[in-house]
Amino acid sequence: SAVISQKPSRDICQRGTSLTIQCQVDSQVTMMFWYRQQPGQSLTLIATANQGSEATYESGFVIDKFPISRPNLTFSTLTVSNMSPEDSSIYLCSVADSGAGVLTFGAGSRLTVL
Amino acid sequence: GQQLNQSPQSMFIQEGEDVSMNCTSSSIFNTWLWYKQDPGEGPVLLIALYKAGELTSNGRLTAQFGITRKDSFLNISASIPSDVGIYFCAARIQGAQKLVFGQGTRLTINP
Repeated sequence: SAVISQKPSRDICQRGTSLTIQCQVDSQVTMMFWYRQQPGQSLTLIATANQGSEATYESGFVIDKFPISRPNLTFSTLTVSNMSPEDSSIYLCSVADSGAGVLTFGAGSRLTVL
Repeated sequence: GQQLNQSPQSMFIQEGEDVSMNCTSSSIFNTWLWYKQDPGEGPVLLIALYKAGELTSNGRLTAQFGITRKDSFLNISASIPSDVGIYFCAARIQGAQKLVFGQGTRLTINP
């Protein structure tokens, strides 16, 4: 299965600032997914990122707040804009294993907003 | 929308005990997956199920895809300390790549 590297692994941010999370995959993948995991909660899909097209956002998530880039088949970024304490979460990048139909996850980026 | 109801939310057991957790939904799914998440890590796949009624084992873990396609369970036999963590069920509808996740079961083991 794919190996996913996320940066940063954790960060402490000030209210009102923005932070960009990077996701690097060791193989070319068609679809990449960004999930949010709020403290003590389950995983919620933010958006699906395909190379060469706009990301598809789930209900409750908008591009202005969570802009996503997908410049090639091995890399994606998620920006959390104008952060507030409610954005304190783990943000997880994942890719689809097209053969097995499962998702492989990165270790996540733990953001704390003060 | 599709929602998965996972239970129990938490379990406190003695080492060596068997564990059982399940997920139910009012929606029909084509794939059921079970993941484990350790602190500071992303979820790691334990078992994937693709057919209604399918029963699959991975070492001490056994999972089944419910015959109605609306539920799944995971059993862990003879628990050991490294089984501690949060277990998530996840499911996918036909034709979709994205997964919907259950709320998780936090497993704590007393040695």
